[in-house]
Amino acid sequence: NAGVMQNPRHLVRRRGQEARLRCSPVKGHSHVYWYRQLPEEGLKFMVYLQKENIIDESGMPKERFSAEFPKEGPSILRIQQVVRGDSAAYFCASFSDRVSNEQFFGPGTRLTVL
Amino acid sequence: RKEVEQDPGPFNVPEGATVAFNCTYSNSASQSFFWYRQDCRKEPKLLMSVYSSGNEDGRFTAQLNRASQYISLLIRDSKLSDSATYLCVTDSSYKLIFGSGTRLLVRP
Repeated sequence: NAGVMQNPRHLVRRRGQEARLRCSPVKGHSHVYWYRQLPEEGLKFMVYLQKENIIDESGMPKERFSAEFPKEGPSILRIQQVVRGDSAAYFCASFSDRVSNEQFFGPGTRLTVL
Repeated sequence: RKEVEQDPGPFNVPEGATVAFNCTYSNSASQSFFWYRQDCRKEPKLLMSVYSSGNEDGRFTAQLNRASQYISLLIRDSKLSDSATYLCVTDSSYKLIFGSGTRLLVRP
């Protein structure tokens, strides 16, 4: 009974490169959230997706960041032209029933920008 | 003003102690409240939901005061394994809003 899977667990990029973070939700879950956690801070909402739809991207920077959750395959968070300030832990969470409101978190991807 | 405010701590307590964490939230429309636990460099894990009537799960008791917009967590008989960061969480529509967390260190 696999939980939320994220890969890679650690990602190192140089400034200006692209980072692609993947999230496979719990089997049967069709709702995915991405959160970012900067050092010594709480998690901050970035984007909420359902299959093939972006429901709310109000927490995502307007430039360089994009997210998708295709019909088949994992959800992808893409960061183009990374900068040092993008260094953080990126957590994905999924749930299947909005009534229950319990989100299950993946282990996170730690992005380090050199 | 942050939407969810917590004392960052750390709270340094001996094994067996009772410790209480508090949290305030600013959105009076919040409907759901939670305490999550986060171990160093790991994902947050749901510790317990918080209900207006108060609820208890073993050594953990959570309370919610809607009028004061205040949430608390009480841990009795602290164990070494309770050392972690405790995140106070509310919702805003369907999004979770996290506090920055309170660090707890339980010493032998």
